[in-house]
Amino acid sequence: NAGVTQTPKFQVLKTGQSMTLQCAQDMNHEYMSWYRQDPGMGLRLIHYSVGAGITDQGEVPNGYNVSRSTTEDFPLRLLSAAPSQTSVYFCASSYLQGGYEQYFGPGTRLTVT
Amino acid sequence: DAKTTQPTSMDCAEGRAANLPCNHSTISGNEYVYWYRQIHSQGPQYIIHGLKNNETNEMASLIITEDRKSSTLILPHATLRDTAVYYCIVRVVDNTDKLIFGTGTRLQVFP
Repeated sequence: NAGVTQTPKFQVLKTGQSMTLQCAQDMNHEYMSWYRQDPGMGLRLIHYSVGAGITDQGEVPNGYNVSRSTTEDFPLRLLSAAPSQTSVYFCASSYLQGGYEQYFGPGTRLTVT
Repeated sequence: DAKTTQPTSMDCAEGRAANLPCNHSTISGNEYVYWYRQIHSQGPQYIIHGLKNNETNEMASLIITEDRKSSTLILPHATLRDTAVYYCIVRVVDNTDKLIFGTGTRLQVFP
């Protein structure tokens, strides 16, 4: 199993550009989520999904869109990048219910200039 | 989900036990205590979780007080590779599976 994979590893955007961060998992997990981590801070939940076709907002959803068309993939779209979105983005997945552990990807480091 | 309070940083000598405290005085009866760690800038890694009984696995032990208002994560023989930020998280086990991270404890293991 590859686990949770994220692409790209690094990305530089100009203000106003849009892009999609990719996240995929091969563990047949129902639950997937996106977090952002700013320097010296803990992770903050952006969006999450409990299954294909179902998404919901987390703590800091503004400026981001998600969709879940398959169990395996959960892309995060930045609609119009802003310098405040400079951060490291982590994707995670787990089985639902029962309190299973979440598996995190290696992260995408995004800089918006 | 209940809030948690952790010390900002701690030191531990290699080979000694590292005891990381967490206060969660407003925890509800159906909330679990989870511990994750983040080594350098990698994605967080699950360590252990529990409801009210003490738990142990190959990585660590979790001691939860009888009133459940605080807990301690114990790494029995810390190594340099245990240097990381450790997050204590309290959450309800429901169908959303959300984790709310605080700022954690930065554990530095020294030789």
